[in-house]
This record gives sequence, C-alpha cells and structure tokens, in this order.
Amino acid sequence: QVQLVQSGAELKKPGSSVKVSCKASGDTLSNYAINWVRQAPGQGLEWMGVFIPFFGTSYYAQKFQGRVTITADESTSTAYMELTSLRSDDTAVYYCALYYYDSATYSYSYWFDPWGQGTLVTVSS
Amino acid sequence: QTVVTQEPSFSVSPGGTVTLTCGLSSGSVSTSYHPSWYQQTPGQAPRTLIYNTNTRSSGVPDRFSGSILGNKAALTITGAQADDESDYYCALYLGVGIFVFGTGTKVTVL
Repeated sequence: QVQLVQSGAELKKPGSSVKVSCKASGDTLSNYAINWVRQAPGQGLEWMGVFIPFFGTSYYAQKFQGRVTITADESTSTAYMELTSLRSDDTAVYYCALYYYDSATYSYSYWFDPWGQGTLVTVSS
Repeated sequence: QTVVTQEPSFSVSPGGTVTLTCGLSSGSVSTSYHPSWYQQTPGQAPRTLIYNTNTRSSGVPDRFSGSILGNKAALTITGAQADDESDYYCALYLGVGIFVFGTGTKVTVL
C-alpha cells in the first residue's frame, strides 16, 4: 500500500514561490497520477492539478494555470508542487493525493487515495 | 467555470438517515463523472468513503452508500453515529485530467 509523506510547513513572503514535496513509499510513482489539492483556512477542498508520470503530462485547474507546476522525480519517488507569485490568499494546507493508473489497460481509478498528511503554507509579509 | 454544489450543512439524529447531494452548475451528474466522496474531520487529511458512484472504500462501514439521485450524485448515511460528524466533499471528473470538488457539507449528529 503506497504511503505519502509531505514536507514541513512553510512561511513565505508575498510575491515569492514555494515548492512542496510529497514522497511516496510502497510503490512506484509511475503507477499513479499525482494530484495537489489545497484547503484555505475554514474553506473547502480545491483541486489544483495533476501530473501523470507515465505520460509525462500535466493538467491544471484554470485558476492556477501559469502559476503552478507539478513534477515528479521517479528515482526518489518524490513529487513536487511549485506555486509562484504567492499572495495572502494562497495561505492554505496543501495536500498531495494519488489516483491509480493501470498501464496494462490504459485506465485510471478516478478517485483520490491515498492522501499526504498536508503541508501548511502561510503567505505573510 | 464549473461549480459543484453541495448542501452547506445537515443535522441528523443518532440512528437517523441523511442524504447529501452533489450537483453540477450546468447539466446532470452521471456515472461518467466518476463521483467520489470524502470525509474530513478538523486537522485531518480527507478520507475516501465512496468511489465510482457507489463503491465503498476499504474499511468504510456499510452505513455509507453512494448513488445517483435524479441529476445529482448522493451520499446516504443510514443509522448515523456520533463519529460521523464531519465535513463531506464530493469530487467529479470533468474529463481531460480535470477534477473539481464540491463545496462541502458539514454534518452534525445530535
């Protein structure tokens, strides 16, 4: 069973960038699509985007196009989410979450499991 | 922009039944959207309850069930228990790699 461990909390200045990591154990990242989901304080879940290592492709929510980049280093089983031009309303807990890709049948699982523990990113001057 | 709407809150008595729904701002939710449901308690990561409309995730009690009701996805809790008091989110697959979460429903058991 794959497990995810994320990097620690970050405090960033407005206008700067943050890069959060998500390390997987128990399986290879090439079997999954790596998603990032964020949750602002007291707010709901917001899907940001996905990177599919098998194809090397990524898809992003329109809201984050141009500001977010999701990548993965399969040699270290670590995924990354970089968000640039940070604003105060980017203050949130950021989660990585996987869904399964079956390369034998070219099918996806279309649900998020497992999830990382979350990383708090605070944007403040 | 697609908005997925859920009821803001529900209150249910212990042992009672509650049905949460997940609707699209334009159009009907069908199984083609692969609806999934997640439970979240404060300070914790979401937990998967239901996927592909009506399949319970491993270890999820059978008092949780998923379905399509009319033009919405639905999550029903039958025989609610105190530890079901949580926030619940649906997620829909819109195609071309894109997902969207619903607005979330806070369920209170009292």
